[in-house]
Amino acid sequence: QVQLQESGPGLVKPSETLSLTCTVSGGSVSSGNFYWSWIRQPPGKGLEWIGYIYYSGSTNYNPSLKSRVTISVDTSKNQFSLKLSSVTAADTAVYYCARETYYYDSSGYGTWSDFDYWGQGTLVTVSS
Amino acid sequence: NFMLTQPHSVSESPGKTVTISCTRSSGSIASNYVQWYQQRPGSAPTTVIYEDNQRPSGVPDRFSGSIDSSSNSASLTISGLKTEDEADYYCQSYDSTNQVFGGGTKLTVL
Repeated sequence: QVQLQESGPGLVKPSETLSLTCTVSGGSVSSGNFYWSWIRQPPGKGLEWIGYIYYSGSTNYNPSLKSRVTISVDTSKNQFSLKLSSVTAADTAVYYCARETYYYDSSGYGTWSDFDYWGQGTLVTVSS
Repeated sequence: NFMLTQPHSVSESPGKTVTISCTRSSGSIASNYVQWYQQRPGSAPTTVIYEDNQRPSGVPDRFSGSIDSSSNSASLTISGLKTEDEADYYCQSYDSTNQVFGGGTKLTVL
């Protein structure tokens, strides 16, 4: 059974950098069919995809956050990480890490499936 | 970038059927799969429908998904409503570069 666990500071000061790590167990971040994402949810609001990384280091970010986001992977530790710079109160949220499947269908067309495994989420508050 | 628009809330009685819509703002709804997630308070989302109309193992067949190209929307239908179905539901899809979630729908079963 694949499990994901977020870790990192629960309180970050405005203008500083938020840093979180997701540790994967029961599976490998180096598995070729999976991309590893960060998703956040401000209190009482909806889900927002932040970005993903492939084990090779290839990344893609939400355009609205792209200038402030860096996602990295450490295959030796079976972890991937999020850095969000210049945070403000608007970045206060529960941050989730999640796995998503990518595969090629019978026509050879690249297709995303669902976010099938999620971490429990970690609340990060931005406040002085 | 496109958006997915859901009703803010829906309510229905136990035993009835409810449908939650998810309308794509640009690009064809049929071009990329739609997923549906259920989220209970304090918990991470879980998949109830993936790839438009597929149910993960363990999800009851009371949950079904469909897409309608004419309205460029996807729908989640829950039949035989139970009080345990009360939760927030999110649709999700993608394009060539981005993953997008709908704003979520709060389902009340009363």
